[in-house]
Amino acid sequence: EPEVTQTPSHQVTQMGQEVILRCVPISNHLYFYWYRQILGQKVEFLVSFYNNEISEKSEIFDDQFSVERPDGSNFTLKIRSTKLEDSAMYFCASTLPFGVTTNEKLFFGSGTQLSVL
Amino acid sequence: GNSVTQMEGPVTLSEEAFLTINCTYTATGYPSLFWYVQYPGEGLQLLLKATKADDKGSNKGFEATYRKETTSFHLEKGSVQVSDSAVYFCALRPSGAGSYQLTFGKGTKLSVIP
Repeated sequence: EPEVTQTPSHQVTQMGQEVILRCVPISNHLYFYWYRQILGQKVEFLVSFYNNEISEKSEIFDDQFSVERPDGSNFTLKIRSTKLEDSAMYFCASTLPFGVTTNEKLFFGSGTQLSVL
Repeated sequence: GNSVTQMEGPVTLSEEAFLTINCTYTATGYPSLFWYVQYPGEGLQLLLKATKADDKGSNKGFEATYRKETTSFHLEKGSVQVSDSAVYFCALRPSGAGSYQLTFGKGTKLSVIP
């Protein structure tokens, strides 16, 4: 089965530093997502991205966050100035547009564990 | 707003035991409901889904029925195996949503012992 690939699997950074989390979605997918899970908490939606722009975002996704598809294969999440509370597992996901097939589903990567010290 | 509540874990069962993981939701209209599974070191994978009331999703021996009257989508399996050890997430997608902005529960860790 095709896979969403995320790098790195673990990232450690100092508070106030910028981090970029990288994802390679499945090649023919057009919708891209970031979710995160703080330890012991729910998996939370951050943002969806379609046609080179943000289509939806949650209240968590403030000005410190940005997403980009810099080329035809990568999808990145940037946190400009990390805070302690940004420590979480970040999941990238992708899918075909809703309604293209009757059996569409969301494919997740294995996640990047971000630790902010 | 939308929310999903699932039973707290961890859950430890012996092999061949019966599994139930409770999930209830709050949402307007008729959301789509999902169970995702996360095996150690891997990403979340869709286990099963149901898109309308009374639908039953099933996969790999797991089942869940969309109950509108009780706003529930409980996951069941008649006989668990050691390989079912994982974290299970219940999730919903709002009705009419054009993308996969999912609302998840906290996850329930299942450990199956031989």
